[in-house]
Amino acid sequence: EAGVAQSPRYKIIEKRQSVAFWCNPISGHATLYWYQQILGQGPKLLIQFQNNGVVDDSQLPKDRFSAERLKGVDSTLKIQPAKLEDSAVYLCASSFAETGILQVTDTQYFGPGTRLTVL
Amino acid sequence: RKEVEQDPGPFNVPEGATVAFNCTYSNSASQSFFWYRQDCRKEPKLLMSVYSSGNEDGRFTAQLNRASQYISLLIRDSKLSDSATYLCVVNTGGYQKVTFGTGTKLQVIP
Repeated sequence: EAGVAQSPRYKIIEKRQSVAFWCNPISGHATLYWYQQILGQGPKLLIQFQNNGVVDDSQLPKDRFSAERLKGVDSTLKIQPAKLEDSAVYLCASSFAETGILQVTDTQYFGPGTRLTVL
Repeated sequence: RKEVEQDPGPFNVPEGATVAFNCTYSNSASQSFFWYRQDCRKEPKLLMSVYSSGNEDGRFTAQLNRASQYISLLIRDSKLSDSATYLCVVNTGGYQKVTFGTGTKLQVIP
């Protein structure tokens, strides 16, 4: 079974530039998550989709971050404009979670992440 | 108070030792609990879900204490390959938002 795919794996940009990340979840997984992981911290949920609808985006800095999952499959996360504090690993995960709620029997499968450095 | 709290460690233990981690959560309405493992510069991977009655998988045992609002992970007979960061994950709040702890770093020493 193919895993969660993410691209690019690394990105270096200057502050105030824009950047976009792409995620392709495991086939058949209804729920897709974007996380931000700053060095030394646990992943922080930015946005969660169930199919192409948003379940939770309470921690997404909406003035600069946006995300979409138009056809309920692939997703993109964009930062515009980037700030120094956005330097982090951006992880995409997917789970079967039909209801959008992660049950104890569900597993989140993570992609390899995109390591973003903002200079 | 943070929604999910873990001791960041590091826990340095000799091979063969038993080590235990705790994770506390603040929202009593939390429903689902997990332990994930993250190796250095890698993505997190599910280690085990935590069931209400507790569960065991080989050398690993997970427990849930709803009264005191914490979960625990016990690792017996530690191996060098157990060296990693162990992340506690909780579905919190009415909307069951997925929240990770900061992780506990384990280093198993020869």
